[in-house]
Amino acid sequence: QSALTQPPSASGSPGQSVTISCTGTSSDVGGYNFVSWYQQHPGKAPKLMIYAVTERPSGVPDRFSGSKSGNTASLTVSGLQAEDEADYYCSSYAGYSNFVAFGGGTKLTVL
Amino acid sequence: EVHLVESGGGLVQPGGSLRLSCAASGFTFSSFGMHWVRQAPGKGLEYVSGISMDGRSTYYAANSMKGRFIISRDNSKDTLYLQMGSLRTEDTAVYYCARAVTGNPGVAFDIWGQGTMVTVSS
Repeated sequence: QSALTQPPSASGSPGQSVTISCTGTSSDVGGYNFVSWYQQHPGKAPKLMIYAVTERPSGVPDRFSGSKSGNTASLTVSGLQAEDEADYYCSSYAGYSNFVAFGGGTKLTVL
Repeated sequence: EVHLVESGGGLVQPGGSLRLSCAASGFTFSSFGMHWVRQAPGKGLEYVSGISMDGRSTYYAANSMKGRFIISRDNSKDTLYLQMGSLRTEDTAVYYCARAVTGNPGVAFDIWGQGTMVTVSS
């Protein structure tokens, strides 16, 4: 069982927006501004999309954005495109003893 | 170009040991924290272990891996290691090495290797 809770699936039509949630506790998501989001296509390594809750690495489209409220972080993908179809994982710093917690992943389908 | 290349995976019997390596290139290896993340077949990502840029601090997932896995690095060889012992069938997974984004505590991973498969089976 994953430390952070994500919905198993999400979907949207091309051009629409979709938001994926990631719920933790005050010991991880709620306690630190160190939430990251990763995109993983089948058979490929994960790719960092968002870090420190809202920051986008160079090269990541601004269609991807992150936010956090309390113990829940969210990833929003705007203007959905076919290539956005992938698995998305959240992670959070969880203190020195656990260090990093991952969510169970959300499969995003572009209809 | 920045690259991480894992090696050392394979088939091992339960109770056995294995050492994974991750060779880095294209960046100053000694300036970045490094980590291992694994993914069991058809499952999600699971944090395994991390090490600071100078190797003085190590971090482990607070679960069954702790005490069985040891992370280390050789900055003179630009290489990260994961020594795995007392392997169990549930350790079967693709093991990725990943580079941490600079800054404290460095828990976002911006560069990933292609992964190396570890299969624990009799």
